[in-house]
Amino acid sequence: QVQLVQSGAEVRKPGASVKVSCKASGYTFTSYGLSWVRQAPGQGLEWMGWINPNKGNTDFAQRLQGRVTLTTDTSTSTAYMELRSLRSDDTAVYYCARVGDRSEYYFDYWGQGTLVTVSS
Amino acid sequence: DIQMTQSPSSLSASVGDRVTITCRASQSISTYLNWYQQKPGKAPKLLLYAASSLKTGVPSRFSGGGSGTDFTLTISSLQPEDSATYCCQQSYNTPFTFGPGTKVDIK
Repeated sequence: QVQLVQSGAEVRKPGASVKVSCKASGYTFTSYGLSWVRQAPGQGLEWMGWINPNKGNTDFAQRLQGRVTLTTDTSTSTAYMELRSLRSDDTAVYYCARVGDRSEYYFDYWGQGTLVTVSS
Repeated sequence: DIQMTQSPSSLSASVGDRVTITCRASQSISTYLNWYQQKPGKAPKLLLYAASSLKTGVPSRFSGGGSGTDFTLTISSLQPEDSATYCCQQSYNTPFTFGPGTKVDIK
């Protein structure tokens, strides 16, 4: 069965960076895109960007451009999201989600989420 | 960016009731509209994609419709396990955006 397992909770100070991992299993990793979505406490979902593990091409939400990097390691079927210059409003649960279809672009499987807390 | 709105923001209904949630896009998105269910402390789960296609394994009491700017999610007979927040997502273009959610409680 398809599973996305994310790394554990992180605490960072403002200005620092964080890197979250997402290990995929149960499907061919390079056949599906991966998106990252975050959810601040008590708030709605915010799409951050996506990566094509096969070719490595990416697309990002403009408001995060320059601060976020998405990468994949196809040898371990793992995706990574790095966010730099952290601010308090980056405190959120970060999810990876598989893109079920590249024309319809829905997220059919999700990781369990990783809480990133930014606090001095 | 395409803005998504939902109504109502919350509702309370009884087991067996028919419940309808509305999602509206700020511009036409054809049928590039997906619905998710999220329970507290859990990741969202895909219910429907392309406005009306049910994900495999999702109960048939869930259905969706609409095109252009106006969409609906209907639960034909509300069950206790349907207590959750439901949100829509447009996949017409990036940045993909989500609605703010509709919280459904069981009376």
